Amino acid sequence: AQSVTQLGSHVSVSEGALVLLRCNYSSSVPPYLFWYVQYPNQGLQLLLKYTSAATLVKGINGFEAEFKKSETSFHLTKPSAHMSDAAEYFCAVRGRNNDMRFGAGTRLTVKP
Amino acid sequence: DSGVTQTPKHLITATGQRVTLRCSPRSGDLSVYWYQQSLDQGLQFLIQYYNGEERAKGNILERFSAQQFPDLHSELNLSSLELGDSALYFCASSTTGSGANVLTFGAGSRLTVL
Repeated sequence: AQSVTQLGSHVSVSEGALVLLRCNYSSSVPPYLFWYVQYPNQGLQLLLKYTSAATLVKGINGFEAEFKKSETSFHLTKPSAHMSDAAEYFCAVRGRNNDMRFGAGTRLTVKP
Repeated sequence: DSGVTQTPKHLITATGQRVTLRCSPRSGDLSVYWYQQSLDQGLQFLIQYYNGEERAKGNILERFSAQQFPDLHSELNLSSLELGDSALYFCASSTTGSGANVLTFGAGSRLTVL
């Protein structure tokens, strides 16, 4: 069954540092993968999605993710963290039944 | 504003009671999803509807039920409420509910059971 695992429930970086949030997927078929962001007291917003058109996917706010089949990974990166990036980030995969399955989330803290 | 409307935003009730959460999907979206978000369980998929029909079922308790009406709005009914049902309930909608279709989330309904 399709599922995702996010490594690290909390990640802390300094402002201007690289952001790396890890997501590994489990899927027997080419997956549809997504990253969402949740700011405090808000719903989730789409950052980017992978649909097999390109392995490097660019999203909003300077984020990007690379699909690596050999590593079953879809890690989210941003070259330079900004204070406004502090939020919770969720990796998700479209399931066989067309449900959307989310990882446990990674809370990103950005230190000044 | 995402275009997905959830009411009420906050709800406080007592154990044993029943509540109804309402969701209006984004204009043009046919599929509605319900999720429960709590600190200990994370974001749990409850149920999905597509154009009035149930399409997928997740970890939804028997005390919970949902439906999608002809005008495409959806309601999540929670009955015999327990303390552990306190959570943020999200509705999301998408155009077709499959493949690369993305979900657009509402702001959520925060349920507190006392």
